[in-house]
Amino acid sequence: EAGVVQSPRYKIIEKKQPVAFWCNPISGHNTLYWYRQNLGQGPELLIRYENEEAVDDSQLPKDRFSAERLKGVDSTLKIQPAELGDSAVYLCASSLERTGGDYGYTFGSGTRLTVV
Amino acid sequence: GQQVMQIPQYQHVQEGEDFTTYCNSSTTLSNIQWYKQRPGGHPVFLIQLVKSGEVKKQKRLTFQFGEAKKNSSLHITATQTTDVGTYFCAVKTSYDKVIFGPGTSLSVIP
Repeated sequence: EAGVVQSPRYKIIEKKQPVAFWCNPISGHNTLYWYRQNLGQGPELLIRYENEEAVDDSQLPKDRFSAERLKGVDSTLKIQPAELGDSAVYLCASSLERTGGDYGYTFGSGTRLTVV
Repeated sequence: GQQVMQIPQYQHVQEGEDFTTYCNSSTTLSNIQWYKQRPGGHPVFLIQLVKSGEVKKQKRLTFQFGEAKKNSSLHITATQTTDVGTYFCAVKTSYDKVIFGPGTSLSVIP
């Protein structure tokens, strides 16, 4: 099993430029999450999907962030335009049960975004 | 809103010493999960605790859920250099949202 796959692994962009991250969850995991992790902090939830429906996007800065999960499998997270404060690691996770359950969340390796 | 605290923020131990990190919530929890993140890596699920007073062991790691289900601890016996990383607790809110604590960073001096 490949696990949760994210790309790219690293991204450096200038401020005001757009950027997109891609995530392929574990097969059969209907719940998908995007988290942002700043240096020295715990992951913060941006958006949660149940299949193709965004069931919790209350923490997503909707003026510049957007996400989609077409067909309930792969997902993309976009930032447009990026700001310096968006520099962070963007983690995708998936789970079999809605809040993790006995198997928890499986995280991808993340995309480290640097905005200069 | 619900707050999750972890103490200590950092811990440096000599290899072979024990280590404990604590996770405290402002509200009663339905369950708690623990994750480990190695330097440069991503969080990896360790365990979930559900029952009041529950104790679970994984080799040298012992996890405990408080009787009031408001706190939890992770204890590592005889630390090894492979234990280095940040340990996060994660709790479920009343809205089925899982929030992560700030983590405890463990350094092991060989």
